[in-house]
Amino acid sequence: GAGVSQSPSNKVTEKGKDVELRCDPISGHTALYWYRQRLGQGLEFLIYFQGNSAPDKSGLPSDRFSAERTGESVSTLTIQRTQQEDSAVYLCASSTSERYNEQFFGPGTRLTVL
Amino acid sequence: AQSVAQPEDQVNVAEGNPLTVKCTYSVSGNPYLFWYVQYPNRGLQFLLKYITGDNLVKGSYGFEAEFNKSQTSFHLKKPSALVSDSALYFCAVRDIPTGRRALTFGSGTRLQVQP
Repeated sequence: GAGVSQSPSNKVTEKGKDVELRCDPISGHTALYWYRQRLGQGLEFLIYFQGNSAPDKSGLPSDRFSAERTGESVSTLTIQRTQQEDSAVYLCASSTSERYNEQFFGPGTRLTVL
Repeated sequence: AQSVAQPEDQVNVAEGNPLTVKCTYSVSGNPYLFWYVQYPNRGLQFLLKYITGDNLVKGSYGFEAEFNKSQTSFHLKKPSALVSDSALYFCAVRDIPTGRRALTFGSGTRLQVQP
């Protein structure tokens, strides 16, 4: 079946512009996660959605970052007034609601802020 | 707070030899532990997980990992390495008592298998 998809695959923007990244989770997966991977580093948790519960936003690095999810489907991560340090690969993952199921990752969006 | 350490940035091994990629963790209670692999220009792929039960966990592509509670380790192993195993490997942990679903990842270990 289809995996997690993300768009765009690459995004180049100028400092100060806003960007929107999209994630389509696996159908039926109620949990959705956003992570950031800076060059040569591990993944940093950003935000987590589970069904209709309030999202866990504890990983968002600043108020320039926000995310939304419509029901149990598509999610968008928005970065306002982008800075050069925002350059990274943004990875989305989804999982079933079962408490210890593994997360399935999308291919990521590579964001470059000039 | 939970954390994961992967002490080796890179591991080099000859094809056909056994490989080990090290991982140690720190959590407040019992952990859920995971290994993921990342091939160039691709997302992370799940390899295996430890939740409870047998300390030796078998996963995809012939990989296995051993959970050692006393040493707080979860090393990834394979008896005979293949050139195609060359990739970036990440260990990750979920701290069960906190109920937090997000994974905490190590910094990754690059595995290079030489022909």
